[in-house]
Amino acid sequence: RKEVEQDPGPFNVPEGATVAFNCTYSNSASQSFFWYRQDCRKEPKLLMSVYSSGNEDGRFTAQLNRASQYISLLIRDSKLSDSATYLCVVNDVGSNYKLTFGKGTLLTVNP
Amino acid sequence: DADVTQTPRNRITKTGKRIMLECSQTKGHDRMYWYRQDPGLGLRLIYYSFDVKDINKGEISDGYSVSRQAQAKFSLSLESAIPNQTALYFCATMVKEGETQYFGPGTRLLVL
Repeated sequence: RKEVEQDPGPFNVPEGATVAFNCTYSNSASQSFFWYRQDCRKEPKLLMSVYSSGNEDGRFTAQLNRASQYISLLIRDSKLSDSATYLCVVNDVGSNYKLTFGKGTLLTVNP
Repeated sequence: DADVTQTPRNRITKTGKRIMLECSQTKGHDRMYWYRQDPGLGLRLIYYSFDVKDINKGEISDGYSVSRQAQAKFSLSLESAIPNQTALYFCATMVKEGETQYFGPGTRLLVL
């Protein structure tokens, strides 16, 4: 079983749509969770951390379900500028170094 | 100025050549990482370092070596480049475990 699995995508949505990305992780000891955004041919950049209580940043909402080992990202009122690849990232306590990256889900927001 | 820089940004080389990719950071982070990214495979860790005297192999270290010349500098070398090392290479830094990583802009490498 892969350590971090994401929706394979790609997602194509119209402007203004709501889109949700899902991610599952295999290590129940995982402690830190993130969503990164990666534009084409650019470096990954942190979009938001994911907290147990769930957290929101403007149009973006992240949720964590530890019992199901599931992370989600919801984008409301999507903009053309939201077009990118979204990476689910997990850090395991005691792993010393390891951020484990999902392969990413490509989102294209169309006018 | 960017906090994490990589040089060169693009490189074309031939099979068998030795090349070095360089990474510098001004964030003052102790932890530095080298990844490669291939289409469909995501980011894979090559090497990482917690300080100048601490170098560790990642999941795909074969064919690569690294040097941590200073807290701010971490270089990746391909001793004898081969075509399947064609990829996008990223350097990253981290403050401490559990925190996020900050990535450089990447080096696009083509091995002919």
